[in-house]
Amino acid sequence: AQSVTQPDIHITVSEGASLELRCNYSYGATPYLFWYVQSPGQGLQLLLKYFSGDTLVQGIKGFEAEFKRSQSSFNLRKPSVHWSDAAEYFCAVGQSYNTDKLIFGTGTRLQVFP
Amino acid sequence: DVKVTQSSRYLVKRTGEKVFLECVQDMDHENMFWYRQDPGLGLRLIYFSYDVKMKEKGDIPEGYSVSREKKERFSLILESASTNQTSMYLCASTTDSQETQYFGPGTRLLVL
Repeated sequence: AQSVTQPDIHITVSEGASLELRCNYSYGATPYLFWYVQSPGQGLQLLLKYFSGDTLVQGIKGFEAEFKRSQSSFNLRKPSVHWSDAAEYFCAVGQSYNTDKLIFGTGTRLQVFP
Repeated sequence: DVKVTQSSRYLVKRTGEKVFLECVQDMDHENMFWYRQDPGLGLRLIYFSYDVKMKEKGDIPEGYSVSREKKERFSLILESASTNQTSMYLCASTTDSQETQYFGPGTRLLVL
């Protein structure tokens, strides 16, 4: 069965520091992978997605993620965090033939200190 | 811009009440979804719908039902609310596979 693991429940960084949020998935075939962000009191917004091709994916708000098949990972990165990046981040995996059903990770809450 | 709206941001109901949560999208999307979000559990799929009058169970359908009479509207129904249904409920829609799911702002439901 598909599953997604986000091992970090809560991460705190200083503004301007680099960020990496971890995501590991379990899926037999080529997965479709997503990162969503949820700001306080809001719904989820797509940051980026990977279906195929270049394993380094660029998203909105300066985020990027790298698909590493050998490690079953899809980690989210940002070189310099802004205070407005404080939010909850969700990794999700979809089946390659049907991404309508997404499996979400439990989320990582990011706190940014000035 | 795609817009997904949910009828209420906050809702307080009593145990045993019938509860309706409404979701409307304005982009003619075929697929619509209902999730619940709980701390430490992420998002879990309750029900989804590929078309009008069509529905499929997600991972946690027990205690819920849905209705999709019009393409733009997808309702989640709690037939008899219970305290363990206190949660954040998120609606989403998408055109088809491989496309982004667009989420509403959520309804925070408290069942007393």
